[in-house]
Amino acid sequence: DGGITQSPKYLFRKEGQNVTLSCEQNLNHDAMYWYRQDPGQGLRLIYYSQIVNDFQKGDIAEGYSVSREKKESFPLTVTSAQKNPTAFYLCASSTQTGPYGYTFGSGTRLTVV
Amino acid sequence: AQSVTQPDIHITVSEGASLELRCNYSYGATPYLFWYVQSPGQGLQLLLKYFSGDTLVQGIKGFEAEFKRSQSSFNLRKPSVHWSDAAEYFCAVGARGGSQGNLIFGKGTKLSVKP
Repeated sequence: DGGITQSPKYLFRKEGQNVTLSCEQNLNHDAMYWYRQDPGQGLRLIYYSQIVNDFQKGDIAEGYSVSREKKESFPLTVTSAQKNPTAFYLCASSTQTGPYGYTFGSGTRLTVV
Repeated sequence: AQSVTQPDIHITVSEGASLELRCNYSYGATPYLFWYVQSPGQGLQLLLKYFSGDTLVQGIKGFEAEFKRSQSSFNLRKPSVHWSDAAEYFCAVGARGGSQGNLIFGKGTKLSVKP
């Protein structure tokens, strides 16, 4: 079955480390998105990509970086510049031919230790 | 600019009671509208969506929502709540026309169900 796979489900980061969260989809979707979720804050857009080799900053891109070398993959790197990285991270994808809604992965919970 | 407001942060209902979760949006035209549900520690699952036509839309798990243009609302309803409906619910708005655009999400309403 088609879907989005996020890995790992839980991730621990030490202070000053960069970590990369994986997001892979086999839905043949053109667009992919990264959201951060904190209690009471809803979903905040970090980065999105509508086509391979192109991506745009969302509302809270500082301290994060992404790449889109393949249509299926949109990894997110949480850099040491992100001062408060502990959160739940969600990846999503969608078609470009009309907003039929997003398909979400099951999320990665990142904790700073 | 588009925006979505979910006025209720947390709602508690008794099992078997009816449910209505509110969603108001701000947009210059009729947007695309969505409701998602999230169980703890999981991703979001699409419950239902409105594009055009009949303003009462049916979704999965017995949920329905009604689009009211005059009130800029898209409230989610269920006639009889089950304990398994306890989750967080998100309303989202998408722009029409042209390219995909991004969905704008509300901050969510957490639903608790009393036995």
